[in-house]
Amino acid sequence: DAKTTQPNSMESNEEEPVHLPCNHSTISGTDYIHWYRQLPSQGPEYVIHGLTSNVNNRMASLAIAEDRKSSTLILHRATLRDAAVYYCTLNTGNQFYFGTGTSLTVIP
Amino acid sequence: DAGVIQSPRHEVTEMGQEVTLRCKPISGHDYLFWYRQTMMRGLELLIYFNNNVPIDDSGMPEDRFSAKMPNASFSTLKIQPSEPRDSAVYFCASSRAGGRHNSPLHFGNGTRLTVT
Repeated sequence: DAKTTQPNSMESNEEEPVHLPCNHSTISGTDYIHWYRQLPSQGPEYVIHGLTSNVNNRMASLAIAEDRKSSTLILHRATLRDAAVYYCTLNTGNQFYFGTGTSLTVIP
Repeated sequence: DAGVIQSPRHEVTEMGQEVTLRCKPISGHDYLFWYRQTMMRGLELLIYFNNNVPIDDSGMPEDRFSAKMPNASFSTLKIQPSEPRDSAVYFCASSRAGGRHNSPLHFGNGTRLTVT
């Protein structure tokens, strides 16, 4: 399995930026890095993905290390609605392997 | 686009009974995945299909579990007989564009299964 390692939990103050790290040292050259988040009682929701270059979309930014062995999901201004479990996963041969994720708490 | 639709949302059954979970993927998506989520093991990939054909079922726990995809708009995951340790949330997800590495997964809201 293509493995990822994330901190179990993080906290952020509302309206502050949040940097969620992920290590994926066993990544192969063709693996895309995907991020998903899961709100309570819902299925995981796609956030962003990338291969080598940093990526931005309306939800977040993804910063990928030059050696691709780590990445960081950046929420520019955390809101209470961003409280969720965030999963970093690698798309390996059409299969996505999810780790345990990071539980983000947003403090009002 | 209604998204991935799973039914039922909740299922409570007794040990030994047959359980069937259902999934309707997003129209046009040609990959379908079944995942199981528990507190202890997180999200586990059970099986996935491409164009209705099972590609990898190595994650299926044992012979009590079976999955079918009779057409592009419907899949089932069956457990027979069910056991208490099968209690979990089961998610179905689909993706398109041939499942190439840059195609994101779209998940349903899951079926919460409780086996007593």
